[in-house]
Amino acid sequence: TQLLEQSPQFLSIQEGENLTVYCNSSSVFSSLQWYRQEPGEGPVLLVTVVTGGEVKKLKRLTFQFGDARKDSSLHITAAQPGDTGLYLCAGALTGTASKLTFGTGTRLQVTL
Amino acid sequence: GAVVSQHPSRVICKSGTSVKIECRSLDFQATTMFWYRQFPKKSLMLMATSNEGSKATYEQGVEKDKFLINHASLTLSTLTVTSAHPEDSSFYICSARVAGTSGHANTGELFFGEGSRLTVL
Repeated sequence: TQLLEQSPQFLSIQEGENLTVYCNSSSVFSSLQWYRQEPGEGPVLLVTVVTGGEVKKLKRLTFQFGDARKDSSLHITAAQPGDTGLYLCAGALTGTASKLTFGTGTRLQVTL
Repeated sequence: GAVVSQHPSRVICKSGTSVKIECRSLDFQATTMFWYRQFPKKSLMLMATSNEGSKATYEQGVEKDKFLINHASLTLSTLTVTSAHPEDSSFYICSARVAGTSGHANTGELFFGEGSRLTVL
């Protein structure tokens, strides 16, 4: 059973389009992070959210943590080819140590 | 940002041999490191938590005798895949956490190594 389900699993869009990736769980997380990973490399942290309802913006990326801290979303505005990669959400369960549980992943491909 | 380095980045070995993968935190001390396994086009699966100076904590279903973890110093953790078989072929990634500045135990940024691709023939 996967604690964190991401949708969609795969997304292919053209440059300039907007998209949203969802990360859902039935569990409550004390914090949630989003990473981007390129082939053959380790994941790179994009953002950390810790407060229910929190919204963070990173240039064209907007991240939101659900009010109940069970879900999160990543919205990309005007996608560019450089946004291509595997997007992973990862959460730390309430009461656990510092280990993260990773989501199922969303592979994004942005074409010209 | 903090740097975590893995070595080797790629390794090919024969079935039955053992392979050691190193994970180093280059500019910070990490009392805890994490080892993940990633299958092609899949997400990361936590294998174990490596604790400096003590035994590693393994996730359910991960064989302790198969995947030996040693965290002998604050900057180095090693993963040894013993008696490797083709099904052990995978991308292995380590990570280390820098202490969070907010005081929240889980907000410290997690830095990942570049990953090590193991191919067992």
